[in-house]
Amino acid sequence: GAGVSQTPSNKVTEKGKYVELRCDPISGHTALYWYRQSLGQGPEFLIYFQGTGAADDSGLPNDRFFAVRPEGSVSTLKIQRTERGDSAVYLCASSSEGTSTNEQFFGPGTRLTVL
Amino acid sequence: AQSVTQLGSHVSVSEGALVLLRCNYSSSVPPYLFWYVQYPNQGLQLLLKYTTGATLVKGINGFEAEFKKSETSFHLTKPSAHMSDAAEYFCAVSEDYKLSFGAGTTVTVRA
Repeated sequence: GAGVSQTPSNKVTEKGKYVELRCDPISGHTALYWYRQSLGQGPEFLIYFQGTGAADDSGLPNDRFFAVRPEGSVSTLKIQRTERGDSAVYLCASSSEGTSTNEQFFGPGTRLTVL
Repeated sequence: AQSVTQLGSHVSVSEGALVLLRCNYSSSVPPYLFWYVQYPNQGLQLLLKYTTGATLVKGINGFEAEFKKSETSFHLTKPSAHMSDAAEYFCAVSEDYKLSFGAGTTVTVRA
């Protein structure tokens, strides 16, 4: 079956621009997560959706970052006024439920480069 | 907050040799622990997980890990390395629904 997909795979933008990153989770998965992976680091949690609502956005670094999941399936991570420090791989994951023991299935990521 | 520390950012092994990747965790509650593998330009793939029960956990591709509460460790092993094991490996601990990852260990396999 289809896994988690993310588009685009690569995004190059200029400092100050707005970007949107898309995630298509596995069909039927109610839980969706965004992580950010900087070079040489492990992924860091950004936000968790249960259904349509953001149940935990404590990992978003500042108010330039925002994410939505309006119909409980596809999610979009939005970054305003991008900065060079936002350059990273943004990973999306989904799971059947948002619990501690459920496996999270990861997409291939979007590599964002801010020039 | 829970956290993990992976000892060694790079490990080089000969094909057929033992693979040992170290992970120590910090947790105030019984932890749920995971090992993920990341191949170049691919998403993270679950190798194995420990939730409760048997402390020796077997995963895919011949990997296994042992949960040792007294040592707060969850080291990953494979008896005989294969060229296809070259990848980056991440240990993670689950707190509620979110994963906290270590910095990762890159494995290279020498022919």
